[in-house]
Amino acid sequence: EAQVTQNPRYLITVTGKKLTVTCSQNMNHEYMSWYRQDPGLGLRQIYYSMNVEVTDKGDVPEGYKVSRKEKRNFPLILESPSPNQTSLYFCASSPTSGSWNEQFFGPGTRLTVL
Amino acid sequence: AQSVSQHNHHVILSEAASLELGCNYSYGGTVNLFWYVQYPGQHLQLLLKYFSGDPLVKGIKGFEAEFIKSKFSFNLRKPSVQWSDTAEYFCAVNTGGFKTIFGAGTRLFVKA
Repeated sequence: EAQVTQNPRYLITVTGKKLTVTCSQNMNHEYMSWYRQDPGLGLRQIYYSMNVEVTDKGDVPEGYKVSRKEKRNFPLILESPSPNQTSLYFCASSPTSGSWNEQFFGPGTRLTVL
Repeated sequence: AQSVSQHNHHVILSEAASLELGCNYSYGGTVNLFWYVQYPGQHLQLLLKYFSGDPLVKGIKGFEAEFIKSKFSFNLRKPSVQWSDTAEYFCAVNTGGFKTIFGAGTRLFVKA
């Protein structure tokens, strides 16, 4: 089944404890992206990747890192999480970086930073 | 800065009522427009999209949207909603780059 998977789905952690949220897609998509969803703010883009080893900042990149060493994986890294990073995170992919492409979303990761 | 505005944050309708959700964007050039839906407990999925051609776009589950360039709008419509349409709806705009900008979302609740 074509899909985007994220792990973990739920995570509670403490301030400053490094964490990684994994994202994987099995559709051979070139473009991948991370968003955070907050009430009243919709989805805001954190980072995106046009292809392997090519990444760039979205609108809210502070406090996050990403890497794209393989086409299928695009992990989101929080080196020193803070409470304002408590949010619902979505990974998404699309066939290419063409602006007409729809994005396919993962199930979301609900992160709480205490 | 480019932005997307969804006018209604919460909408409550009875079954069989007609639906129109507003979406306006701020960008004067060529745009690609999307509506995504998030049903309770599910992934975001595409309802419909516009990138060229007929400004009236039809999507899944009886939804349609009309792109009105002069009004910078891409409103979502459905003639008769069902209880199963209860969800959160997001308008999104891509202005030709690598970024997609989403609106804040509209939560629709349909009373059976």
